[in-house]
Amino acid sequence: KAGVTQTPRYLIKTRGQQVTLSCSPISGHRSVSWYQQTPGQGLQFLFEYFSETQRNKGNFPGRFSGRQFSNSRSEMNVSTLELGDSALYLCASSLDNSGGALETQYFGPGTRLLVL
Amino acid sequence: AQSVTQLDSQVPVFEEAPVELRCNYSSSVSVYLFWYVQYPNQGLQLLLKYLSGSTLVKGINGFEAEFNKSQTSFHLRKPSVHISDTAEYFCAVNERGKLIFGQGTTLQVKP
Repeated sequence: KAGVTQTPRYLIKTRGQQVTLSCSPISGHRSVSWYQQTPGQGLQFLFEYFSETQRNKGNFPGRFSGRQFSNSRSEMNVSTLELGDSALYLCASSLDNSGGALETQYFGPGTRLLVL
Repeated sequence: AQSVTQLDSQVPVFEEAPVELRCNYSSSVSVYLFWYVQYPNQGLQLLLKYLSGSTLVKGINGFEAEFNKSQTSFHLRKPSVHISDTAEYFCAVNERGKLIFGQGTTLQVKP
């Protein structure tokens, strides 16, 4: 079974631009979560989508948004990019058969975003 | 909110020596704990997880971890490390579907 895939793998943008990142979950997985990884803040939860609905949200400004499609694929968007948005963005998927806390999340390789 | 503390930011060790990476969590209620490994320029790979049952959990690549409720710890161990184990290791707790991570421990295996 193919793992979680993320595109693109690398991205360079300038301040003020917007960016869209894509994530395809493992086949059959219905939940998709997004995380931001930076050297200073570590790994932080952005949001989770299930059945095309945002089910859980972290502490990020409204510039960060996402969506999920009927095939469980997900996109996240960051508008008005700031230098501090430079990070590795990781997507994770889970089956979500038994409820959130018991689920194991499987991660993709990430998209590395550099904002200049 | 739950929190996870990884007590060592870096752990240097010689090849074939044993290693322990320490992790403490804050919650006193039921917890679901995970260890992930991240190799350079890659995503996170699941090493092992504790959901319930036996407190000694075995994972991939010869790693194991012990869940200790009284000490709120979930330390990761390997009896003999290899150069290829050099990576960053993250302990995490699942809080209602979102993972809360520790700051990570860099394991540096020296020849």
